[in-house]
Amino acid sequence: NAGVMQNPRHLVRRRGQEARLRCSPMKGHSHVYWYRQLPEEGLKFMVYLQKENIIDESGMPKERFSAEFPKEGPSILRIQQVVRGDSAAYFCASSPGAETEAFFGQGTRLTVV
Amino acid sequence: GNSVTQMEGPVTLSEEAFLTINCTYTATGYPSLFWYVQYPGEGLQLLLKATKADDKGSNKGFEATYRKETTSFHLEKGSVQVSDSAVYFCALLLRGSYIPTFGRGTSLIVHP
Repeated sequence: NAGVMQNPRHLVRRRGQEARLRCSPMKGHSHVYWYRQLPEEGLKFMVYLQKENIIDESGMPKERFSAEFPKEGPSILRIQQVVRGDSAAYFCASSPGAETEAFFGQGTRLTVV
Repeated sequence: GNSVTQMEGPVTLSEEAFLTINCTYTATGYPSLFWYVQYPGEGLQLLLKATKADDKGSNKGFEATYRKETTSFHLEKGSVQVSDSAVYFCALLLRGSYIPTFGRGTSLIVHP
């Protein structure tokens, strides 16, 4: 059973470009979470999704950021018109349901130049 | 609201020293508690967990006991190794909730 798969592992974008981060949850997991980790800071919750639904996006910036988890395929975190402040590690986690631990992917490290 | 507070890092130890990383929490209900470890350049891995008061989670020589009276879940290890150098995150998950709440993480550096 493969773990949570994120790609790419490293992504470099110029200011103003779009960044697309992909996350395939563990088999059998229908809950996906996205977190952002800035250098020297902890994990900041961004968004929680179940298949085809956004359940909680309270941690997501209102502009430029969006997330989806379609019926088929991976979850996507999309950042439009990236700025230098978006440079961070973005982690995806998945779980099979409530009250169970989340399993993390290895992250995508976004660098905006 | 729910929150997790961890001791500030970095914690710097010599090999074979005793480790304690403090974690306290505030929660509106009765959470499950977790410790995750993040090695350099990697994602978080679950290290141990406890789901109710007085439970002790343990793994790879690490232990933590769920103390309801002090709302704490301190991580301990009797003899650390250089390979334990990593960032350690304490987290809670309320019953009926889906979203874990994480502390800021504590960096551990172990010298030979």
